[in-house]
Amino acid sequence: KQEVTQIPAALSVPEGENLVLNCSFTDSAIYNLQWFRQDPGKGLTSLLLIQSSQREQTSGRLNASLDKSSGRSTLYIAASQPGDSATYLCAVALFFAGTYKYIFGTGTRLKVLA
Amino acid sequence: GAGVSQSPSNKVTEKGKDVELRCDPISGHTALYWYRQSLGQGLEFLIYFQGNSAPDKSGLPSDRFSAERTGGSVSTLTIQRTQQEDSAVYLCASSHRYTGELFFGEGSRLTVL
Repeated sequence: KQEVTQIPAALSVPEGENLVLNCSFTDSAIYNLQWFRQDPGKGLTSLLLIQSSQREQTSGRLNASLDKSSGRSTLYIAASQPGDSATYLCAVALFFAGTYKYIFGTGTRLKVLA
Repeated sequence: GAGVSQSPSNKVTEKGKDVELRCDPISGHTALYWYRQSLGQGLEFLIYFQGNSAPDKSGLPSDRFSAERTGGSVSTLTIQRTQQEDSAVYLCASSHRYTGELFFGEGSRLTVL
């Protein structure tokens, strides 16, 4: 059974720091891995999608890596800003018989202090 | 549309009333998902629609919950005889057919008094 774990559950850093969020999964047979951001009371916003054949994806100050063999992904945020404060979730997609199933981590709650 | 659209954004109802939540997925996305998120909790899968196939209802918590998807597009989640424990944010998502990228709406916040 696929399980997705995110550590730490919460993180507080001063503005300007580079930081790394971790996502671990137990079964390497994934179709893709996606990182999301969720602001309080809002839906999830897609940040980065890494297909199973890819090693990393970059968007602005964000970089996500994927190591399927070790069951890990990291989200790197450069030069953090107070506006980055949110909950970050990762999700792995499984694909079977034409359907996608998504398994979500419980998230890392990030607070960037001004 | 450009993104996943959900309505209403906020719904307050009395215990025992029925509610309907609506989701309009991204145009061309054949897969549609409903999730529930209680305060401070993770995402709970409810139901999944894929094209014209029978929906996967394995996550529905009780027979008070039902959902339909008309014409392969708009979906309605119905909760009958609402209970206070149904209070949560109900999130709808649709996925790209080939990349599997998942896109969420802003959610419908349900409060049952």
